[in-house]
Amino acid sequence: GAGVSQSPSNKVTEKGKDVELRCDPISGHTALYWYRQRLGQGLEFLIYFQGNSAPDKSGLPSDRFSAERTGESVSTLTIQRTQQEDSAVYLCASSVIPGPGGYEQFFGPGTRLTVL
Amino acid sequence: GENVEQHPSTLSVQEGDSAVIKCTYSDSASNYFPWYKQELGKRPQLIIDIRSNVGEKKDQRIAVTLNKTAKHFSLHITETQPEDSAVYFCAASPLGSGGYNKLIFGAGTRLAVHP
Repeated sequence: GAGVSQSPSNKVTEKGKDVELRCDPISGHTALYWYRQRLGQGLEFLIYFQGNSAPDKSGLPSDRFSAERTGESVSTLTIQRTQQEDSAVYLCASSVIPGPGGYEQFFGPGTRLTVL
Repeated sequence: GENVEQHPSTLSVQEGDSAVIKCTYSDSASNYFPWYKQELGKRPQLIIDIRSNVGEKKDQRIAVTLNKTAKHFSLHITETQPEDSAVYFCAASPLGSGGYNKLIFGAGTRLAVHP
């Protein structure tokens, strides 16, 4: 079946502009995650959605970052008033319901954001 | 919160040699430890994982060991091949307010396997 998809694949924007990134999770996956990966660095957790539960926003770096998810489908990550330090690859992942037994997160191809 | 440290940051081996990557974590409540492989320009993909009730797991040339007392886990790749060249990330899943719902990643190890 189809994997996690993200759009756009690349986004170049000017400092101060808002951007919106989209993620389509694997059908049937109730959990959805956003990560940020700066060049040559590891993955930094941003936010997590699980069904209708309140999202875990503990990784969002500032109030310029927000994310929404409609039910158990599409999610959008919005960055307002972009700064050059926001330049990174933004990765989305989805998984089946997580639990104490562990789970596999399936990643999308990412959106490469460049803020000029 | 959980913190994961990964060593070494770069590793260069000859084809056929073994490679070992080590990670330590800080949150004793973490209970799931996956390893992801990321080839250049591609998305991370799970290669092996281990849960806290298991000390070792093996899948062909790849094995992972977990020492919960010491809070460290390691990835072992035997008989390395050039196609093993990639960045490898370890991760730990801490217990959050909503359960085990996120992964905290190490900084990554860039493995180069030379023919």
